[in-house]
Amino acid sequence: NAGVMQNPRHLVRRRGQEARLRCSPMKGHSHVYWYRQLPEEGLKFMVYLQKENIIDESGMPKERFSAEFPKEGPSILRIQQVVRGDSAAYFCASSPHTQETQYFGPGTRLLVL
Amino acid sequence: GIQVEQSPPDLILQEGANSTLRCNFSDSVNNLQWFHQNPWGQLINLFYIPSGTKQNGRLSATTVATERYSLLYISSSQTTDSGVYFCAVVAGGTSYGKLTFGQGTILTVHP
Repeated sequence: NAGVMQNPRHLVRRRGQEARLRCSPMKGHSHVYWYRQLPEEGLKFMVYLQKENIIDESGMPKERFSAEFPKEGPSILRIQQVVRGDSAAYFCASSPHTQETQYFGPGTRLLVL
Repeated sequence: GIQVEQSPPDLILQEGANSTLRCNFSDSVNNLQWFHQNPWGQLINLFYIPSGTKQNGRLSATTVATERYSLLYISSSQTTDSGVYFCAVVAGGTSYGKLTFGQGTILTVHP
């Protein structure tokens, strides 16, 4: 059973460009979570999704950030008009149900020049 | 929201030593997980332990939910144990799996 997959593993963008981060959950997992690890800060929750639904986006910045988990295909975290402060490691996790173990992917390291 | 505090913030050991890492949380929890973030940045699941005691090889963990703390024990430490150890919880009464992380304990094991 393959683990949580994220791609790309590293992404470089210039200020003002768009970044798209992809996450494929473990087989059989319908719950996806995105977290961000900023330099010198801990891991922070961003958004929780189930298939085709955003359940909790309380950790998402109000502007430029969006997330989706379509019926088919991976979950996508989209950052529009990136700024240097968006440089961070973005982790995706999945679980079969809520209140169960969350398994983390390897992360996408975003660098904004 | 729930607060998660880990101690100590830094820990330096010689190979073969034992250690105990602590995680205190400010409210009841539905979920508690321990992670190891290795030097390559990957987050490795160690334990899912909202209560009770579990063991996996040289590692074990105990959560006393009524007293709002969890302990991670590392015995006979090895250099590969180096990295950051995170405790993360889902607050009780929350229907969703939103993990709140502590700030981590940075462990360095010298040969």
